Amino acid sequence: DAKTTQPPSMDCAEGRAANLPCNHSTISGNEYVYWYRQIHSQGPQYIIHGLKNNETNEMASLIITEDRKSSTLILPHATLRDTAVYYCIVLVGNQFYFGTGTSLTVIP
Amino acid sequence: GAVVSQHPSRVICKSGTSVKIECRSLDFQATTMFWYRQFPKQSLMLMATSNEGSKATYEQGVEKDKFLINHASLTLSTLTVTSAHPEDSSFYICSAWTVLRRTEAFFGQGTRLTVV
Repeated sequence: DAKTTQPPSMDCAEGRAANLPCNHSTISGNEYVYWYRQIHSQGPQYIIHGLKNNETNEMASLIITEDRKSSTLILPHATLRDTAVYYCIVLVGNQFYFGTGTSLTVIP
Repeated sequence: GAVVSQHPSRVICKSGTSVKIECRSLDFQATTMFWYRQFPKQSLMLMATSNEGSKATYEQGVEKDKFLINHASLTLSTLTVTSAHPEDSSFYICSAWTVLRRTEAFFGQGTRLTVV
């Protein structure tokens, strides 16, 4: 079962930073937090993952709270192509259990 | 990057027939693959874990005799929907880990199954 909760939807202005929150209060010490996104009728696309430290790559930044009970995905300069459903997932063993995700709409 | 390919991308079949969906890892070996289904406006639901050379492990509530999974090689897993019914119409997605670069799971592009 999914161990994450996310807001169902968010809007973001084009060019602005999109901050997507995720709660994972029951996460265990060795379980990673992953973020994927899914554009309509396509397979999910990997964005970023982390364990304890904040992470950054060419797509996004991941901020994990010190107690690891929540995290935030940051898309620094949202574009229209970032409109998608974003899934925050806690990796349990080697299996991904998807929660309901956040539908992000980037507005021109 | 690593690529997972599914075939077909879309399929329409008649009730009572069987449909096979293929999932291939194109540039890496995948000892484990996963099958998901997704209904419209819903999230992905894990159906089963497919292990190369052994029986698949099904999630609770998924009928193993209806959704046959075969993982005969390190690059190919197949899902067969047997005796399909309209309620089996869904978006089916596979994913796979790489053995050497175990940082992310790669997902196929999905298969849209419509049973008429």
